[in-house]
Amino acid sequence: NFMLTQPHSVSESPGKTVTISCTRSSGSIASNYVQWYQQRPGSSPTTVIYEDNQRPSGVPDRFSGSIDSSSNSASLTISGLKTEDEADYYCQSYDSSNQVFGGGTKLTVL
Amino acid sequence: QLQLQESGPGLVKPSETLSLTCTVSGGSISSSSYYWGWIRQPPGKGLEWIGSIYYSGSTYYNPSLKSRVTISVDTSKNQFSLKLSSVTAADTAVYYCARHEWERYMDVWGQGTTVTVSS
Repeated sequence: NFMLTQPHSVSESPGKTVTISCTRSSGSIASNYVQWYQQRPGSSPTTVIYEDNQRPSGVPDRFSGSIDSSSNSASLTISGLKTEDEADYYCQSYDSSNQVFGGGTKLTVL
Repeated sequence: QLQLQESGPGLVKPSETLSLTCTVSGGSISSSSYYWGWIRQPPGKGLEWIGSIYYSGSTYYNPSLKSRVTISVDTSKNQFSLKLSSVTAADTAVYYCARHEWERYMDVWGQGTTVTVSS
């Protein structure tokens, strides 16, 4: 089984750009798609990125995703930060028999 | 519009079995390509996948919980269920049900139900 490791927290100012990383412990990050979820307090998670870099309809293009095989990691980048982006963000991937979530990153916009 | 709704006891005693049901409305649980999963979130902690079931009955479980978990599906009622045995306080969490394709995202989530394990 593999793990996905995220930083516990990141913070940035409104209008700036922030990147959240997600490192896969074993197996290639490129082998299986990575998804990113946003979760606000008291709410269910919602998808902001799927299949590494695709945005569901309704998600602003300020959100983007990428993968880096050299570091075996995925990244979520949010540009033009807004206070409403303050939330917990989780990466998620899978293998043939498991779904795995990262530990989550708390984004503070201050 | 597809909706999922979790239901079940909010309080379970230690060593007993936690039982939850997810009711699917606005669509069929027998839709091909889709899995139906359970995810939990302990207070102040992250998301943990518990397991998923295909409408045909094929199941996949988190290895760390596999010995205690059973997920089943009732296509006639458009429901799927979770049973977690021998619970302890560590199983206290918000439990979510969700729909997903195995290689894509969990696109529909229930609102979550809080289960507390306490005597």
